[in-house]
Amino acid sequence: DQQVKQNSPSLSVQEGRISILNCDYTNSMFDYFLWYKKYPAEGPTFLISISSIKDKNEDGRFTVFLNKSAKHLSLHIVPSQPGDSAVYFCAAANFGNEKLTFGTGTRLTIIP
Amino acid sequence: EPEVTQTPSHQVTQMGQEVILRCVPISNHLYFYWYRQILGQKVEFLVSFYNNEISEKSEIFDDQFSVERPDGSNFTLKIRSTKLEDSAMYFCASSEAVGGGYNEQFFGPGTRLTVL
Repeated sequence: DQQVKQNSPSLSVQEGRISILNCDYTNSMFDYFLWYKKYPAEGPTFLISISSIKDKNEDGRFTVFLNKSAKHLSLHIVPSQPGDSAVYFCAAANFGNEKLTFGTGTRLTIIP
Repeated sequence: EPEVTQTPSHQVTQMGQEVILRCVPISNHLYFYWYRQILGQKVEFLVSFYNNEISEKSEIFDDQFSVERPDGSNFTLKIRSTKLEDSAMYFCASSEAVGGGYNEQFFGPGTRLTVL
């Protein structure tokens, strides 16, 4: 079941630059998309979300873009900071359905 | 800030033994979930629980698994007869509401289950 895919297992970015993490999905019925951040030995922490009726949502340094026709979303972090080094998961859900479907994650490393 | 807590942080058990993983969700949350992550793989949904009953479960959640809310604060996952392939990180999560908005689930730190 590969409904949500993150094709880049890892990404390295210089501190201060923009980090772009990508996610593709196959199920056009998804209503909501979320990004979670995970540090080792901790649970996923919610970062930002976007409804399928929008194409952009911004929260501080984090912006999520949704391209429904391409079934693609991306998370932009700018400027990147060392504390952003973590594994980032995208997840998708349907309204009224509790289950989150996660991607495989992308390990982001910010180089000082 | 309220948080989801889980105990124990690490559980080692022999194959065939029963284990109970415990979670204390955020106090005003109504929906509770278990997910697991096998090493190197994605986080997978196991089960959701609302109003003292299972509302959805995945194909992973077979008869060996059960969930319970034994009192007003704890939420448990029981594996009756553990298998080697049950070794994983198990995450509990909780949320205020489902539907009409995004489903922000708050996750606990996880219990690492090792089956020998």
